Amino acid sequence: EPEVTQTPSHQVTQMGQEVILRCVPISNHLYFYWYRQILGQKVEFLVSFYNNEISEKSEIFDDQFSVERPDGSNFTLKIRSTKLEDSAMYFCASRESGANVLTFGAGSRLTVL
Amino acid sequence: GENVEQHPSTLSVQEGDSAVIKCTYSDSASNYFPWYKQELGKRPQLIIDIRSNVGEKKDQRIAVTLNKTAKHFSLHITETQPEDSAVYFCAASNNAGNMLTFGGGTRLMVKP
Repeated sequence: EPEVTQTPSHQVTQMGQEVILRCVPISNHLYFYWYRQILGQKVEFLVSFYNNEISEKSEIFDDQFSVERPDGSNFTLKIRSTKLEDSAMYFCASRESGANVLTFGAGSRLTVL
Repeated sequence: GENVEQHPSTLSVQEGDSAVIKCTYSDSASNYFPWYKQELGKRPQLIIDIRSNVGEKKDQRIAVTLNKTAKHFSLHITETQPEDSAVYFCAASNNAGNMLTFGGGTRLMVKP
């Protein structure tokens, strides 16, 4: 079964450092997403991406965040200057055109010290 | 924007009993309602979904009901098993938007 893959699985960083989380969506999917989940809390939408541009973003997705599709397979989330409250599990997801079903990756756990 | 409320936050049942988790949503434009199961430290996995043109959907021991008028939907798990223990999230979205809005989650514990 096709999977969304994410790297790294866990990253520890110092406050103020830049972090890039990487995702490889399912190959025939055209819609890409980032969600985050603070430990013990609900999954929260960050951003959706289609046709090489952001289609929606939440209030959480401020100027410290950016997304990019640098090539035909990767989809990245960059946090420019990490804060303690950015510590969370970040899930990438993708879906194919015409479908509602999101497939989530295994997540990248970010710990900001 | 959409707001999804989920109850209860924790639910403990005996193996073999039924479990019911309820969600309400605020945006009448929402028309897609998936349920995800998340085991500890794992990714959310879709277990069942329903679209607003139907009132009920069943898949073996799992069923979901939708009341569009009241803007609520429920997950029913029958004959629960210990492996059903996990956190369950409901969510809502509409076709125009891409984002899923999740409920707060229900931690289901099935005691053998």
